[in-house]
Amino acid sequence: GQNIDQPTEMTATEGAIVQINCTYQTSGFNGLFWYQQHAGEAPTFLSYNVLDGLEEKGRFSSFLSRSKGYSYLLLKELQMKDSASYLCAVRDYGQNFVFGPGTRLSVLP
Amino acid sequence: DGGITQSPKYLFRKEGQNVTLSCEQNLNHDAMYWYRQDPGQGLRLIYYSQIVNDFQKGDIAEGYSVSREKKESFPLTVTSAQKNPTAFYLCASKGGNAFFGQGTRLTVV
Repeated sequence: GQNIDQPTEMTATEGAIVQINCTYQTSGFNGLFWYQQHAGEAPTFLSYNVLDGLEEKGRFSSFLSRSKGYSYLLLKELQMKDSASYLCAVRDYGQNFVFGPGTRLSVLP
Repeated sequence: DGGITQSPKYLFRKEGQNVTLSCEQNLNHDAMYWYRQDPGQGLRLIYYSQIVNDFQKGDIAEGYSVSREKKESFPLTVTSAQKNPTAFYLCASKGGNAFFGQGTRLTVV
């Protein structure tokens, strides 16, 4: 079966660092993606991991451990505009995406 | 500019009526997808198409229908058989990662 878990909600303070975890059990694995989605808008691509390790992209980094079925998204120097939902998604061998429920992040002043 | 266009952004329909949501892309992607998103939940796959004139049911296809007569277009019809059609609908096409349209919020009254 397909199962992706993320925390439902997180809260952090402006300027801080936050880590959003994602665990997955899928029938195939061909990459893990993170998307940002502001309320009422379309998800936008943030990062992609297919090999184990850390991918850094400015204030955002994403980590993957395939053996543990685990990923995290790290957001540094949080800004108010980072308040959004963050979706973890796994691409399977059929090139389809399976999405997690999303983590709603609130950044407080 | 390349992208995916969904229209309209907001749509209201009376219960019992069929309604068609438009999705057009000029990214030259073969694969296109329709997702449904309910408040506080992740994206659930309705239908997908890997190539023109072919499409497959996703996890929640009941009460929906699609067509893929052209590479650029993948319209979704929400039929009167869909028991709870009010939701946010997202169309996506896939190159290396998934690109999303702006979404259509459908409200059935």
